[in-house]
Amino acid sequence: GEDVEQSLFLSVREGDSSVINCTYTDSSSTYLYWYKQEPGAGLQLLTYIFSNMDMKQDQRLTVLLNKKDKHLSLRIADTQTGDSAIYFCAESKGGATNKLIFGTGTLLAVQP
Amino acid sequence: KAGVTQTPRYLIKTRGQQVTLSCSPISGHRSVSWYQQTPGQGLQFLFEYFSETQRNKGNFPGRFSGRQFSNSRSEMNVSTLELGDSALYLCASSLTGVTEKLFFGSGTQLSVL
Repeated sequence: GEDVEQSLFLSVREGDSSVINCTYTDSSSTYLYWYKQEPGAGLQLLTYIFSNMDMKQDQRLTVLLNKKDKHLSLRIADTQTGDSAIYFCAESKGGATNKLIFGTGTLLAVQP
Repeated sequence: KAGVTQTPRYLIKTRGQQVTLSCSPISGHRSVSWYQQTPGQGLQFLFEYFSETQRNKGNFPGRFSGRQFSNSRSEMNVSTLELGDSALYLCASSLTGVTEKLFFGSGTQLSVL
């Protein structure tokens, strides 16, 4: 199957940590991505993880991958108002293709 | 280095017309792919091109077509527009056609009246 599920909405206070979750169904996915979309803009690649990794950290971002449960999460430390956006996870089988299967998107609202 | 450039930014058409959208990838990138974003269906893959060849195609009717030129610039065309074609059309480029890093443009917002 090609369904990638995310919760629709997350609200946090500025300075707290945010955790956005994603469940995918294709166990053969090779790369998993997190993209950010601000109003009226395209998609900004935040980070990605290869399927043989469990965790990847990049400054305030931490990605956790549980391949057994097909669960991916993005943790944003010290969340700022500028982090308010829609976050999409996406999966790819890798190789010679740019076809990504995107999740439904999670709207992150950061309260000052 | 300039990012992915899509033109026009906004477009209004009426049913039955056709439309052409343009995408200029990041300099040096040889792969271009297109996605449709709607509130109901989310982000869906349309097609991708690498070195002027269509390499993969999503589940869209034949009214949706595209091409890539020798300078890697790409166009997509939608013929006989329907109301349901109203969407944000996003173009993405990558260096080698492997999905490790895919960079998106700001999109073309198409409204069909």
